Amino acid sequence: GQQLNQSPQSMFIQEGEDVSMNCTSSSIFNTWLWYKQEPGEGPVLLIALYKAGELTSNGRLTAQFGITRKDSFLNISASIPSDVGIYFCAGRLTQGGSEKLVFGKGTKLTVNP
Amino acid sequence: EPEVTQTPSHQVTQMGQEVILRCVPISNHLYFYWYRQILGQKVEFLVSFYNNEISEKSEIFDDQFSVERPDGSNFTLKIRSTKLEDSAMYFCASSGPREQYFGPGTRLTVT
Repeated sequence: GQQLNQSPQSMFIQEGEDVSMNCTSSSIFNTWLWYKQEPGEGPVLLIALYKAGELTSNGRLTAQFGITRKDSFLNISASIPSDVGIYFCAGRLTQGGSEKLVFGKGTKLTVNP
Repeated sequence: EPEVTQTPSHQVTQMGQEVILRCVPISNHLYFYWYRQILGQKVEFLVSFYNNEISEKSEIFDDQFSVERPDGSNFTLKIRSTKLEDSAMYFCASSGPREQYFGPGTRLTVT
């Protein structure tokens, strides 16, 4: 089945630093999405990317949909303590009437004040 | 802002019992999903549902599981004869033409 390789697995940074994480796949996806999950809660959508090469920002977050449609990165600039959480990439497959998300294993972000 | 809701937030059940997890998707969405997340692991797709039928299911979604949309607002996941390894967070999600939005999850603990 489709698999996403997400890296790094975890990051420990100082407040104010920039963060970068990425996902790669051997499969092509129609859409890439980035979610953030905090303990005991569901994934919250951060950014959605629909076209190969698309670069999208949401505040301090910037994400890009790779030109091959097999990869994506997420950057967080000037990190703050509330950025702490697990960030998941997800590739969306739409085929006929079916649709599903395939998730990466997540990047656990710790921000030291 | 519309959101996906799930009940209960936490369910404890004994091995072998049946549980029903409930979800109310966002009202104008047409696609509905269930995902599972075992503690400390990634989110795994279970099943997608469209036009009152299953459109895709994963290998995890075997005969132990079933889904239903009993009325115009609820979407349920039934797990029969629960096993210890069914303990996990179960997330419902819904989507319109684009993004999927997740509910807060139900934590299922099988003892």
